[in-house]
Order: sequence, then C-alpha cells, then structure tokens
Amino acid sequence: AAGVIQSPRHLIKEKRETATLKCYPIPRHDTVYWYQQGPGQDPQFLISFYEKMQSDKGSIPDRFSAQQFSDYHSELNMSSLELGDSALYFCAIGDSLSSSYEQYFGPGTRLTVT
Amino acid sequence: AQSVTQPDIHITVSEGASLELRCNYSYGATPYLFWYVQSPGQGLQLLLKYFSGDTLVQGIKGFEAEFKRSQSSFNLRKPSVHWSDAAEYFCAVAPGRSNFGNEKLTFGTGTRLTIIP
Repeated sequence: AAGVIQSPRHLIKEKRETATLKCYPIPRHDTVYWYQQGPGQDPQFLISFYEKMQSDKGSIPDRFSAQQFSDYHSELNMSSLELGDSALYFCAIGDSLSSSYEQYFGPGTRLTVT
Repeated sequence: AQSVTQPDIHITVSEGASLELRCNYSYGATPYLFWYVQSPGQGLQLLLKYFSGDTLVQGIKGFEAEFKRSQSSFNLRKPSVHWSDAAEYFCAVAPGRSNFGNEKLTFGTGTRLTIIP
C-alpha cells in the first residue's frame, strides 16, 4: 500500500538469533497491526497498537515483543529465532478517526531463519 | 470468535470467463468484510470492502462482491477475467468498530486463481 514502509524487505537470520522488523506508517494513522504469514498460509494476527499502547494480542509467541513509538512507527522484536518463524511479516496501518474503516498493508518483510 | 471459510482452495478459469470466489463468515453481528488479493511474494492489496448499506459493492480492477446476510456470505465476482488476475485471493472479516486497535482481521485460507489462455 502506498505510504506504508517496512524494513528490511528481506532478512536472513540463523536459529537463536534476534531480529527487528520496522514499520513506518502513513502520516496521521495511529493504529498498527502486525500479521505473520507462513508459507502457503493465510495471514495471522500477532499484535496491535493504538496511540502507542498495546490494544490487542493474538497468537504472538512470548519470544516476540513489539512497540509503537511517539512518531507512530512500530517495531517487532523477535528473539531466539526458530526455523518455524520463517514467514512474511506484514504491518497494517489504520486511522481511528476515519469513518472508512480500512487497514493499509505494507509490502512485508520476508524473514528466513536458517 | 469470528471465522472465515473459503471453500475453494484452487480455481482455474479461462481468460475472458466469469469468476466467482466464495466466502462464508461466522460472526455474531454484522462484521466488516473485505477481499484482498496477493500476488506471489507480494503484499496484500484491498479489492473492496463492505461495512453497511448497499449489499453489492464495487471494487478495483472490475471486481464486485455481494453481502448476503441470510447466507453469511460475501462472494467475489468478476464478469470477465484477465490473465493478470491470477493471484491468491483472501476474504477477511473484522469486528465492527469497538475499541480502537481491536479491529484485527481474520483471514480465510485463501483461493488460488489460475487463468488459462
């Protein structure tokens, strides 16, 4: 989606290493959602933030943590990486003030754990 | 809990033929409904959405979808497909707006669309 930036786009890590994924939102969009999409799978919700506070939590492993900063960008931190963490990670941005409820997805970060 | 079912894992259609992708949802109230398209290794692009009002919604790329409350369905249609429509299609549901940041999307398992000449 136009305006949502995720970095890096590709990341290769070894087992037990750590990774940090970043998401930069469209200006004035204050909610962020993280999703994980395994190979051949549908995206699964991990965690969300509204106004820098965690608002909802899904099937996110305890090894993962996330936060939203004052400039509304968000980071997903992943530790003790496992082979099963290899996936495409999306962030999606929402605007709480918009009457047209919609989430704008970033292009994703492809994480490969070897 | 909300859930989405896409009964067709893979559909093959001839170029120029019509298309219908099925989606059924389970939710206690009227949810927000979406269709997304994903090309291989790419992000998710929103095709169309339904919140309320007219049950037939128009989207981008010539797609439309019809919300049928009685059938808990939100099927995606296109009258004439193009080779560039080959992709994975996901139906998704979100709860009606309650608390900000709680409108997580629940996706169906997707339907892979193949177009043959």
